[in-house]
Amino acid sequence: KAGVTQTPRYLIKTRGQQVTLSCSPISGHRSVSWYQQTPGQGLQFLFEYFSETQRNKGNFPGRFSGRQFSNSRSEMNVSTLELGDSALYLCASSPLGGLTTDTQYFGPGTRLTVL
Amino acid sequence: AQKVTQAQTEISVVEKEDVTLDCVYETRDTTYYLFWYKQPPSGELVFLIRRNSFDEQNEISGRYSWNFQKSTSSFNFTITASQVVDSAVYFCALSEAGSSNTGKLIFGQGTTLQVKP
Repeated sequence: KAGVTQTPRYLIKTRGQQVTLSCSPISGHRSVSWYQQTPGQGLQFLFEYFSETQRNKGNFPGRFSGRQFSNSRSEMNVSTLELGDSALYLCASSPLGGLTTDTQYFGPGTRLTVL
Repeated sequence: AQKVTQAQTEISVVEKEDVTLDCVYETRDTTYYLFWYKQPPSGELVFLIRRNSFDEQNEISGRYSWNFQKSTSSFNFTITASQVVDSAVYFCALSEAGSSNTGKLIFGQGTTLQVKP
């Protein structure tokens, strides 16, 4: 089975722009979670989607949003980019997405640089 | 409150040495899950192990072993006879059961392991 894929792998944007990142989960996985990784804050949970619905959200401003499509692929969007948004954005998928915590399998990440 | 502490920021060992990575967690829930992930320089987090709070059995997988002790809220990871390929950042993570915690992992700050030849 192919793993989690994320596109693009690298992005350079300027302040004020917006960006959309894409994540394709492992085939058959229905839950997708997003994380932001920075040297200062470490790995932080952004949000989780299941069956096209956001079920959980971390403590991030409204500039961070996401969605999930019927094929479980997910996108996250960051509007009005700030320098502090520079980070590695990781997507993870899990098989069942039920209340019991499944193991999450991660993609290679998208490295976003904001200039 | 949920919290994971990996007190060791960086560890450097020489190949073939054994090394233990510490992980201490905090949670009020009785049902929770603990994980270890490895992050090589490529950036992808690689899943190593998952443990639920009701299973305190230690586990061994090849050169890797894990010691879960609820009494001390610790979930430590030992690599026996380390190899250069073990060099990476290792993360311990916690997830609590329940609808408000769906899909959310709480990560420690990570421990950078350098194995020198």
